[in-house]
Amino acid sequence: GENVEQHPSTLSVQEGDSAVIKCTYSDSASNYFPWYKQELGKRPQLIIDIRSNVGEKKDQRIAVTLNKTAKHFSLHITETQPEDSAVYFCAASKPTGNQFYFGTGTSLTVIP
Amino acid sequence: DGGITQSPKYLFRKEGQNVTLSCEQNLNHDAMYWYRQDPGQGLRLIYYSQIVNDFQKGDIAEGYSVSREKKESFPLTVTSAQKNPTAFYLCASSRDRVRTEAFFGQGTRLTVV
Repeated sequence: GENVEQHPSTLSVQEGDSAVIKCTYSDSASNYFPWYKQELGKRPQLIIDIRSNVGEKKDQRIAVTLNKTAKHFSLHITETQPEDSAVYFCAASKPTGNQFYFGTGTSLTVIP
Repeated sequence: DGGITQSPKYLFRKEGQNVTLSCEQNLNHDAMYWYRQDPGQGLRLIYYSQIVNDFQKGDIAEGYSVSREKKESFPLTVTSAQKNPTAFYLCASSRDRVRTEAFFGQGTRLTVV
């Protein structure tokens, strides 16, 4: 199967600072890596994703980087705001697979 | 918030009772999934279905059952055989197996009393 590890489990940053969350995966066949944000009591929602044919993708203050050789990918949030406070999940999937493999989540707190 | 709907939002069950959680989607997605969310453990897959009338066990299927009689619906039954059913349950769907975004329902919080 696939094993996705996510670090850190909790992260606190001052408003305006950057936040970085890292994930590693075990199966080199994985080729799709989405990131989900889950606000308290709400559903997870996709915020950005990346496929294995690119190394970096950016959407305003959010970016994701992928290192296929090292089998790790990271979420970068710049100029953090209080509304960025949430739990973030990384995931991986394979083209021949049937499920998403999720990390254990990172609880991000942005301190005003 | 349309697309995929779970009901009810909160559910209380007495020990020894079966209970069914509803999941409906109008996204015309083929694939549907049930996840269990516990603090510090991320999202664990219970069951998934890639097509109508077909479903497969995930990592923690014991004590659960599902059906997929319609494309739009994927109900989950938590049976009395599930030893620790109190949890937050999330249903999700995706258009093309696991190669595209998964859309989640708003979740059902099940509490055994």
